[in-house]
Amino acid sequence: DQQVKQNSPSLSVQEGRISILNCDYTNSMFDYFLWYKKYPAEGPTFLISISSIKDKNEDGRFTVFLNKSAKHLSLHIVPSQPGDSAVYFCAASPFGRQLTFGSGTQLTVLP
Amino acid sequence: GAGVSQSPRYKVAKRGQDVALRCDPISGHVSLFWYQQALGQGPEFLTYFQNEAQLDKSGLPSDRFFAERPEGSVSTLKIQRTQQEDSAVYLCASSQIGLAGDYEQYFGPGTRLTVT
Repeated sequence: DQQVKQNSPSLSVQEGRISILNCDYTNSMFDYFLWYKKYPAEGPTFLISISSIKDKNEDGRFTVFLNKSAKHLSLHIVPSQPGDSAVYFCAASPFGRQLTFGSGTQLTVLP
Repeated sequence: GAGVSQSPRYKVAKRGQDVALRCDPISGHVSLFWYQQALGQGPEFLTYFQNEAQLDKSGLPSDRFFAERPEGSVSTLKIQRTQQEDSAVYLCASSQIGLAGDYEQYFGPGTRLTVT
């Protein structure tokens, strides 16, 4: 039973355009959501987070949107850069406890 | 400041051997988590410490897996009598509980365990 799902294993975007990565969850106890970026042979790097009391959080080129009624979150990267090419994981947590991860989306930004 | 560090970065063990994986969390971080990541998958939770107390070990796959954090800082994950299915990347993460309820976990580089 996958509680956090990333249905797109890969995404290709042209440099300068918007990248939109999507994530769905099923557990209503999740109240904190995070996006991580991962390069090969490295641990996941924290990007941005959002708590369930908000529906949007921005940090520079990165914006996370949360739709609680649909149990859906998305990460927007604008503008996309070649250095953004990596695997992106969404993760969810109940009350600061362990993270439940999706299976990841490989983003490729084409120059 | 220093991030989360893990050692060794790579470990090859023969089936049946015991291994010990070390995690040094970010200084002052109260919470410490261990995750297991199989190839092509997201990390999966193993166990969680708050200071020296192991509050949740529900993700440990068998009683061959054991974790400790005796002084509330460094943690060790031990796997006894390793099996081929134990081959994975083992990730450690630490966090502090922010006043605003922010719970970002910061990950180390992982230990890649290969059991032959």
